[in-house]
Parts: sequence; C-alpha cells; structure tokens
Amino acid sequence: EAGVTQFPSHSVIEKGQTVTLRCDPISGHDNLYWYRRVMGKEIKFLLHFVKESKQDESGMPNNRFLAERTGGTYSTLKVQPAELEDSGVYFCASSRGQAQPQHFGDGTRLSIL
Amino acid sequence: GDSVTQMEGPVTLSEEAFLTINCTYTATGYPSLFWYVQYPGEGLQLLLKATKADDKGSNKGFEATYRKETTSFHLEKGSVQVSDSAVYFCALLKTSYDKVIFGPGTSLSVIP
Repeated sequence: EAGVTQFPSHSVIEKGQTVTLRCDPISGHDNLYWYRRVMGKEIKFLLHFVKESKQDESGMPNNRFLAERTGGTYSTLKVQPAELEDSGVYFCASSRGQAQPQHFGDGTRLSIL
Repeated sequence: GDSVTQMEGPVTLSEEAFLTINCTYTATGYPSLFWYVQYPGEGLQLLLKATKADDKGSNKGFEATYRKETTSFHLEKGSVQVSDSAVYFCALLKTSYDKVIFGPGTSLSVIP
C-alpha cells in the first residue's frame, strides 16, 4: 500500500506570504496528524483529525495556522502570513485507530526568508 | 507533563561497533514506546515498538526493552553499519491523548 505522502517536499517563501502544505494519508486511515520540527528541536504535535473532524488542535501555535480535512481524505495546512519562526519540517502521519502506531510521511521542509 | 529524554548527540562510531542510545521517559499510566529513525533525505520511519512492560521490540538488528521500573527504552545494536547513519527518535504514545511525544533525537554517524 502507498505510504503517507506530503507535498511539496520543500517550500521557500518570503515572510508575509502564504503557503499551503498537503498530506495524503494511507488509504483507510481515519486518523491524521500534523507535527513539526522547528530549528532542530523536538518534533511537536500540532493537531489530530478523526475523519474530517478536529479531535485535538492543542498544539497549533497561533491563528496563522489553519488545518482542514474536507471529506475526511487528504488534509491541508495553511500558514498565513508566514513568519520567520515558522521555518522547519512539517510532518504528517496517519493511523488506523486511536493509539495505533502512526505512519509518517517524508515531511515538507518549509523555509521562510 | 509527559516527556521523553534521550542522550545528546551527535554520536560517531566505527563500523561494527556496539551501539547504545539511552532513552528515558516521564509519563503517567502505561504508554506505548517507540523508536523512529530518519535516514538522510527521508521521512520518519517506525523502527520498533513495545506496548507493555518487559516487551522487547526488535527490527533490523536493533533492540529495545520496555523497562517500567527504570522508565527506560534504550536502543541497542551489536554491530552498526555505515547504512545505520541517521537520526534516531525515542517516542511515547498514550491512549488518553493519542499524540506521539518525541525525544529530541540523536544523530548517529557510522564511519568505515
């Protein structure tokens, strides 16, 4: 089966611009998660979808970040406007059920200039 | 709150050397424990897991045993190869909040 796919693999934008990241989970996985690793620090949880509903968004840093999962399939994470501190690697993961092993994508490396 | 601590890197070893990467955790209840690996230019891959005390996870020659009494999950490999060069993340997952908590990662370089 295909793994979790993320697009783009790398994005370079200027401060103040908007960027949208996309994640396609493994087929049949209702649970989808976003994480990020900023400046070589720990990988931190951002939010969790169950199908199209946000189960937990406690890790979202501020209202410049908007995540959606329309139809319960792929998800997007939009950053608007982007700030320098948003640079890092954004990972998406999916799992079949709660507390099941999460399968990660290759990540999107976001660079804000 | 719950957290994971792992040994600071980077770690540099010669090929065929013995590897230990220490990992300890702080968590209430009974979390599942994982080691993830990120090879250069690639994403996070699940290396091994253990879901209860005294379980031993193993994969690709790597092993880790869930030690509840010492709250540890140390990663070991008897003979490392150059291809094992990567960043290794210790992590935990609890049913109650269903999000993975990662350690800071340990960079391993294996030289011929």
